Amino acid sequence: DAGITQSPRHKVTETGTPVTLRCHQTENHRYMYWYRQDPGHGLRLIHYSYGVKDTDKGEVSDGYSVSRSKTEDFLLTLESATSSQTSVYFCAIRGSDTQYFGPGTRLTVL
Amino acid sequence: TQLLEQSPQFLSIQEGENLTVYCNSSSVFSSLQWYRQEPGEGPVLLVTVVTGGEVKKLKRLTFQFGDARKDSSLHITAAQPGDTGLYLCAGGLGGATNKLIFGTGTLLAVQP
Repeated sequence: DAGITQSPRHKVTETGTPVTLRCHQTENHRYMYWYRQDPGHGLRLIHYSYGVKDTDKGEVSDGYSVSRSKTEDFLLTLESATSSQTSVYFCAIRGSDTQYFGPGTRLTVL
Repeated sequence: TQLLEQSPQFLSIQEGENLTVYCNSSSVFSSLQWYRQEPGEGPVLLVTVVTGGEVKKLKRLTFQFGDARKDSSLHITAAQPGDTGLYLCAGGLGGATNKLIFGTGTLLAVQP
């Protein structure tokens, strides 16, 4: 158990509404990552953070923003959700030679 | 764009059979990791290989990193129903961020 929690675990929302997903870690790791997982695509990196207030884009960042005001929390925001953002979202932290993943959030945008 | 192709995408076998999953790329990676994921959970690391040609064994699982560090394989001997799950390979880009490029996954079902 790498001490990562994600909330909510499931969410259904409507197109055009804002959505914020939260990742919380108890390990005090510097690096945190947000991924989305879709059939046929594996996991794709959305954004990552390398410290408080330090973030950068991944390969599928359009339509997403992130914030990290505390070491332990990394927030992913969909400013205006679209159906193409229906997915399972995973947060991860960097260990010594790997990444440890949270349990995921299943988001459905209707 | 760096891609990792996994094959096969789906595999359904009987308990006791052997199987191999392949992970191929045209890109060189600093490391190659294999994860296993069960429904409703996040991926869990099985192994990390970092040296070209490296072979690691984990009980009935054997992992190999290609000599050129572009490909990898996972071999399972005498598969058991408990091996059922989604297997993901991931190439490490190294450096401070250590970003990972994930393969598309292999869904394995082992029938008793």
